[in-house]
Amino acid sequence: DVKVTQSSRYLVKRTGEKVFLECVQDMDHENMFWYRQDPGLGLRLIYFSYDVKMKEKGDIPEGYSVSREKKERFSLILESASTNQTSMYLCASREGGERPLFGQGTRLTVV
Amino acid sequence: RKEVEQDPGPFNVPEGATVAFNCTYSNSASQSFFWYRQDCRKEPKLLMSVYSSGNEDGRFTAQLNRASQYISLLIRDSKLSDSATYLCVVNIGTGNQFYFGTGTSLTVIP
Repeated sequence: DVKVTQSSRYLVKRTGEKVFLECVQDMDHENMFWYRQDPGLGLRLIYFSYDVKMKEKGDIPEGYSVSREKKERFSLILESASTNQTSMYLCASREGGERPLFGQGTRLTVV
Repeated sequence: RKEVEQDPGPFNVPEGATVAFNCTYSNSASQSFFWYRQDCRKEPKLLMSVYSSGNEDGRFTAQLNRASQYISLLIRDSKLSDSATYLCVVNIGTGNQFYFGTGTSLTVIP
């Protein structure tokens, strides 16, 4: 069964901490995405990557960075976590022409 | 203006009812359309793609109206297990630009 796996379901971090969210897919997909989902705002794209070491900013990249050193792994980094980054974070991957397949989500709380 | 707009609901319907959701999109270059289902505190999962001629999958029917730029989802004979949030998703062109509606909440009542 093909999968997108996020490293944590729930995470609590302190303001100012550096936070790493990891995502791994086993489908050899080229394209991977990070979204955040907030009530009333829907899913918003933070960053996406179309190949190893390649990345593109999405709609809300401020306060985030990403890393894609291997094709199967796409990491989201919160350089200095803030309370307004409390959210549900969703990783997705897709092959060209296909629809996104999501990981199970990471619910991050910054206190 | 948002790329994709949905009525957030909530829709509360009795078991066995028929319910329809609409979703409008603003970019006429939109190429692909999908309905995703999201259960509480879970990730979105593909329910069905939406094709130009309309398509059906069991109790679910999806329609696309390019002239008016909207897609619809019809659920017949609602089940308790249909209770979820339904997201419409639009792909601009064939690249990586996916836009998500905020979702429509459905609760099916016994």
